[in-house]
Amino acid sequence: GNSVTQMEGPVTLSEEAFLTINCTYTATGYPSLFWYVQYPGEGLQLLLKATKADDKGSNKGFEATYRKETTSFHLEKGSVQVSDSAVYFCALYHGKIIFGKGTRLHILP
Amino acid sequence: DTGVSQDPRHKITKRGQNVTFRCDPISEHNRLYWYRQTLGQGPEFLTYFQNEAQLEKSRLLSDRFSAERPKGSFSTLEIQRTEQGDSAMYLCASSPEGRGPSPFYGYTFGSGTRLTVV
Repeated sequence: GNSVTQMEGPVTLSEEAFLTINCTYTATGYPSLFWYVQYPGEGLQLLLKATKADDKGSNKGFEATYRKETTSFHLEKGSVQVSDSAVYFCALYHGKIIFGKGTRLHILP
Repeated sequence: DTGVSQDPRHKITKRGQNVTFRCDPISEHNRLYWYRQTLGQGPEFLTYFQNEAQLEKSRLLSDRFSAERPKGSFSTLEIQRTEQGDSAMYLCASSPEGRGPSPFYGYTFGSGTRLTVV
């Protein structure tokens, strides 16, 4: 079936460090891919998306590229801030959204 | 329209009681989804509606769970004879999916209803 696997957390980084959160997927066909973010005490928010192979989604300094050959959609940011501390969910859409388990990110000042 | 609204935000109930949650989607969105999120896990799909029709139900949705969207607007999720394992955040989302040729517009999530069964 369709599924998403993302790296387990928590991930702890210092401010201005480079961030990568790995995500791979299993799906029939070519699903749309997403990263959602959940800040403390808030609901899920769409961070970025890509709808076809080689598309790059970007928002708020975060980027992810849809890699069909490796079935991956890794999230990256060049310089993280304390305000980026949150839980990040990789997800795919195949008739409905299917989420990974989430990766908690802590950014230290 | 201020987004997807869920009520209540928190619910504490005794085991064996029935509970009902409400979701008001964005008014022009014809699709409505229910998800459940337990601590340390991603949201898990429960069911979805297109207008008033319930089109898919997950195996997670046992016989004790029922969802309705009677007029294609708001939806309710009822859990009968609650168990401690039902404790979770119940999330509602809506989308304008299903209209026009574009395959996906994205979901808007509500803030959720946190259920604690004691």
